[in-house]
Amino acid sequence: EAGVTQFPSHSVIEKGQTVTLRCDPISGHDNLYWYRRVMGKEIKFLLHFVKESKQDESGMPNNRFLAERTGGTYSTLKVQPAELEDSGVYFCASSGVSLGTQYFGPGTRLLVL
Amino acid sequence: ILNVEQSPQSLHVQEGDSTNFTCSFPSSNFYALHWYRWETAKSPEALFVMTLNGDEKKKGRISATLNTKEGYSYLYIKGSQPEDSATYLCAFRPTSGTYKYIFGTGTRLKVLA
Repeated sequence: EAGVTQFPSHSVIEKGQTVTLRCDPISGHDNLYWYRRVMGKEIKFLLHFVKESKQDESGMPNNRFLAERTGGTYSTLKVQPAELEDSGVYFCASSGVSLGTQYFGPGTRLLVL
Repeated sequence: ILNVEQSPQSLHVQEGDSTNFTCSFPSSNFYALHWYRWETAKSPEALFVMTLNGDEKKKGRISATLNTKEGYSYLYIKGSQPEDSATYLCAFRPTSGTYKYIFGTGTRLKVLA
């Protein structure tokens, strides 16, 4: 069974540009989560989808971040315009049930210059 | 604000040594505590999910204990090997009706051959 995949693995962009990250969850997992780890700090929750619906987006930093999950399969996280403080590792995770173990992707390393 | 702390932040041990780390979490509002092993550029790997006070889980040379009354979990590695080198993350899940994890900053372990 394929795990959670994320694309791209790395992205280097300039401040003010737009970047879109993609996450493909484990097939059949309705729950999808985005997290972010800024260097030296803990991994922090961004938002949670159940199928295509946003259940909790309390961790989204501001309106420069937009997450979508059209069709309830893969998800995208767009940052527009990117700022220096957006640099970090963006993780996606999925679970079969809401309170089940979350399975993580390898992350996308974003560097904003 | 729910705070999860891990200690130490990092440590170096010699091959063959046994070691342990601590995760401290709020003792009230407890639902579950998860341990993950994360090697950079790879997906964090789920090690244990612990839910009951007094739980002890074991996977090969790695084991974990849980004390929900005092709010801590220990992770033990017996006879450390170089391949155990990774960051060990704990993630707390409260009962407050959300499905997100609250992570500690991790313990970075380096096992020297």
